[in-house]
This record gives sequence, structure tokens and C-alpha cells, in this order.
Amino acid sequence: EAQVTQNPRYLITVTGKKLTVTCSQNMNHEYMSWYRQDPGLGLRQIYYSMNVEATDKGDVPEGYKVSRKEKRNFPLILESPSPNQTSLYFCASKTTGTGYTGELFFGEGSRLTVL
Amino acid sequence: QKEVEQNSGPLSVPEGAIASLNCTYSDRVSQSFFWYRQYSGKSPELIMSIYSNGDKEDGRFTAQLNKASQYVSLLIRDSQPSDSATYLCAVILIYNFNKFYFGSGTKLNVKP
Repeated sequence: EAQVTQNPRYLITVTGKKLTVTCSQNMNHEYMSWYRQDPGLGLRQIYYSMNVEATDKGDVPEGYKVSRKEKRNFPLILESPSPNQTSLYFCASKTTGTGYTGELFFGEGSRLTVL
Repeated sequence: QKEVEQNSGPLSVPEGAIASLNCTYSDRVSQSFFWYRQYSGKSPELIMSIYSNGDKEDGRFTAQLNKASQYVSLLIRDSQPSDSATYLCAVILIYNFNKFYFGSGTKLNVKP
């Protein structure tokens, strides 16, 4: 089954404790991206990656790091989480076969609470 | 200034009616437009994509694009309670196909 898998789905942590949210896709997609979703603000792009070792900032990258060492994986790293990073996070992927391709396949989401 | 604007709703329509969802965008070089549906507690899923001015129909769904007015809409005919969800409008720009800009979504309630 084609899917994007995120872990953990739910996490409560404390300020300053480093954490990683993993994302893996089995569709051989070149493009992967991370979003956060907050009430009233919609989905905002944090980072994206066009392929292995190719990442770029989205609109809200502050406080986050990413890496893309393998095509299927795109982890999101919070080095020192703060309460304003409490949010619902989505990983998404798509093929880059055509420039207008828009179907993003989303993971099930990771709800993060930082105390 | 937000790139993509949507009325947050909720928009309530009776079962069988036409639901009309609207989205405006600020960047004139926006290239491609998408409607995603998101059920409560779930991840977004693509409903429609539209790239050219005019209408695009897919089953009960019709997307309408007017680039001159910077306006894209989604019509849902014969609305069903199962259509109750939040609908997200998204755009990508002609000079960067990698950055998606999402609206905050319109919540639709279809009442039986």
C-alpha cells in the first residue's frame, strides 16, 4: 500500500528536549516536505526536499532542521523545542515527474505538545 | 499579506444542495491551484486540481478558475453529509513549483 508514515503520532515533551519526527514514504517520490497546521493559520511549509541531499526552507523554518540522506526518509528535527512549536505536523511527498504535478500525499500527522 | 485567503466558515448547506467554496490569492504569478479535503483529525487529500481559466468537472465536484480576478472556487453538487469536512485551497507559483501555499480552510457542514 502506497503511504507516507510518520512517527510518533502523538508526543508530549518539555522545552529544550531534542526530538525527531520521522517520515518515510514507499512511493519512490523525489519531493518531500514538512508542514505544520495551526488553527486559523492553515498549513505552513517548514522545509522541503527535492531529492537526496537537496533541502530548502519553506515559510517557517526557524527552530527546525531536516536531512535527506535516503530518498524514502525525511526526518524533522527539533533541536530545542519551545511551546510555540506545539502544533500538528504533516509530512508529504509527491513525484516531480511534471512541473504542474500537485498531488501531495500526506502522512497521518504528528501531534506535538511542548510544555 | 496572506497568499491564499478563504472564509473559515462554517458553511452550512442542506443535503442535496450545491455547496460553493471560494478562495482568493494574492500573487498574480500563481500557476496551479488545488482543492484538498480534510476530515476532522485526518490528513488532507486532493480533490481537484486546475491550471487553466474556466471550469473543470469531476463527478459532483467542479473547480472554477479566474486568473484575472485571482479567484478559484469549488462547487459540490448534490452535497452529502459525508462531504462535511474542511476544504483547503492551495496554490503554487510559476517560478517555484516546490512551495505550496495553503489557505486556512473552509469548514463545510452538510445537514441531513
